[in-house]
Amino acid sequence: SQTIHQWPATLVQPVGSPLSLECTVEGTSNPNLYWYRQAAGRGLQLLFYSVGIGQISSEVPQNLSASRPQDRQFILSSKKLLLSDSGFYLCAWSDIRGDGYTFGSGTRLTVV
Amino acid sequence: QKEVEQNSGPLSVPEGAIASLNCTYSDRGSQSFFWYRQYSGKSPELIMSIYSNGDKEDGRFTAQLNKASQYVSLLIRDSQPSDSATYLCAAWRGNTDKLIFGTGTRLQVFP
Repeated sequence: SQTIHQWPATLVQPVGSPLSLECTVEGTSNPNLYWYRQAAGRGLQLLFYSVGIGQISSEVPQNLSASRPQDRQFILSSKKLLLSDSGFYLCAWSDIRGDGYTFGSGTRLTVV
Repeated sequence: QKEVEQNSGPLSVPEGAIASLNCTYSDRGSQSFFWYRQYSGKSPELIMSIYSNGDKEDGRFTAQLNKASQYVSLLIRDSQPSDSATYLCAAWRGNTDKLIFGTGTRLQVFP
């Protein structure tokens, strides 16, 4: 069966520090991978998605970037965090276009 | 106009009642629709999917789709306090690789 791993679960980082969040999927190959952010009390904002290794589509211009160095690995990064980067970051995957996503457990990021 | 719209709530229903959650979408190219449940502080969990007009039942949950009216709903029968959560409606955007989410409806089931 397929599983998705996302870490860390919580993170407190100072403004201006770098960020690296990792997500891996097991039990499938060539999944579509997604990064979402959910600000407190808000909806899900799609940040990046990838349909294959090295293929990244950005939805929202910001100081974040994403990379997919391996088929089942998706990384969200920032060189310098802003206060506005605080939120709940969710990785998700899907097997087939048109099928529902499965979300990871999320990373709660607080920038101080 | 948002692509997927939901009433933010809260929707308050007594235990044992039917909770009715509604969602409209704007992209007529959308063919797949989903309901997610999100408990406070947790990630969304897929509870229902629907692809064809009509009703789809799974236990206490029934999803309804009307493509002509661009309307999706979720009925929860015999609501329990454990059903208290935010329910997110989502639709695949046409011929893309993206699922578009509504902002969610908060459901409160009181004993």
